[in-house]
Amino acid sequence: DTEVTQTPKHLVMGMTNKKSLKCEQHMGHRAMYWYKQKAKKPPELMFVYSYEKLSINESVPSRFSPECPNSSLLNLHLHALQPEDSALYLCASSQDWGTSGDGPDTQYFGPGTRLTVL
Amino acid sequence: AQTVTQSQPEMSVQEAETVTLSCTYDTSENNYYLFWYKQPPSRQMILVIRQEAYKQQNATENRFSVNFQKAAKSFSLKISDSQLGDTAMYFCAFRYSGSARQLTFGSGTQLTVLP
Repeated sequence: DTEVTQTPKHLVMGMTNKKSLKCEQHMGHRAMYWYKQKAKKPPELMFVYSYEKLSINESVPSRFSPECPNSSLLNLHLHALQPEDSALYLCASSQDWGTSGDGPDTQYFGPGTRLTVL
Repeated sequence: AQTVTQSQPEMSVQEAETVTLSCTYDTSENNYYLFWYKQPPSRQMILVIRQEAYKQQNATENRFSVNFQKAAKSFSLKISDSQLGDTAMYFCAFRYSGSARQLTFGSGTQLTVLP
């Protein structure tokens, strides 16, 4: 099973709203990722969690706040977003070989949340 | 820093025909992994195929195969017997060996399969 689920599929929010995106995987993966993707562009990495700890933050504005409550769940809390934040937000997970070994550490993606900020 | 280049922004192919998507990359490392992902209009990024740089044998997954030329730093994807469901954006991606987790993506190739 290589399924990563994301909710909601679509989200429309105003600039003063607070909302959250949710991602879940049950593959036993220990690394989870948030990406932002604009139309016809490749995904841009935002955050990486490894063993429930934030390991990479690609200089993302503080209006995006990630959270990893457990190894299967990843949230992205949104507050005071700007219209230019409208995009497809993708979650992914991988085995995360880390320092215990090596491997392709293939990332498996969810279907994404289409976010529109008005 | 590594870079991944896909020089064909758009391509089209007739159903049942064969098409090759090109990808080149630049790195000074010897151990790394290469991937092809497809993203159909449904938006989900789907792994198509992956290649370990230390393996000389080209990876194959059903109708999808790669031509991996390590010296030339080339990693092309061949799709045989193209189907309408192959219509998608295809991204080539690179990852270093070891604990680094970032994927470096190419700019993508939009493939359209024509009936």
